[in-house]
Amino acid sequence: DAGVIQSPRHEVTEMGQEVTLRCKPISGHDYLFWYRQTMMRGLELLIYFNNNVPIDDSGMPEDRFSAKMPNASFSTLKIQPSEPRDSAVYFCASSLDGHRNADTQYFGPGTRLTVL
Amino acid sequence: AQSVTQLGSHVSVSEGALVLLRCNYSSSVPPYLFWYVQYPNQGLQLLLKYTSAATLVKGINGFEAEFKKSETSFHLTKPSAHMSDAAEYFCAVSRASTGNNRLAFGKGNQVVVIP
Repeated sequence: DAGVIQSPRHEVTEMGQEVTLRCKPISGHDYLFWYRQTMMRGLELLIYFNNNVPIDDSGMPEDRFSAKMPNASFSTLKIQPSEPRDSAVYFCASSLDGHRNADTQYFGPGTRLTVL
Repeated sequence: AQSVTQLGSHVSVSEGALVLLRCNYSSSVPPYLFWYVQYPNQGLQLLLKYTSAATLVKGINGFEAEFKKSETSFHLTKPSAHMSDAAEYFCAVSRASTGNNRLAFGKGNQVVVIP
């Protein structure tokens, strides 16, 4: 299996622009998670999906952030408009079955976002 | 709510010496506990996890961790550090109940291995 795939790996944009991050989870995994990693705040859960349905978006910083999962093999995280404080590494992760809470989350390589 | 505490953001260890990374958890229900490793410019990778079976858990790359309920701890150890162990290590906790496997991560320990 190719693992969790994220694109792009690096994104540099200017303040005010729209940014879309993409994720392809591992085939057959029911849960998908979006995380943000910064030096100041560490690793934060933004939102997660179960069977393409958003379950908990309480970690989404504000209305500028939105996430969708139109099908089992694709998810997007969108920031509009972007701000310099959004600069971070964004990770996508997937797991087989969230009801068994010990299921391992498999992480993608991340997207390093820089907003100038 | 569940949480974990990792003290000391940077840990230096000599090659061949013991690696010890401390993790203390807070949970109102029996927890599941995880250690993940992040190599430079990569995503997180599972090292090992505790799921209420054996309290001593062995993971990949020679790492192990022991669950101690009385101390609310899940410290990670490796008897002899290799240069390849230089990475960031995260402890995480989830609820041992149905619903979801939302993880709460600690701040991480950046491990530097000195030749």
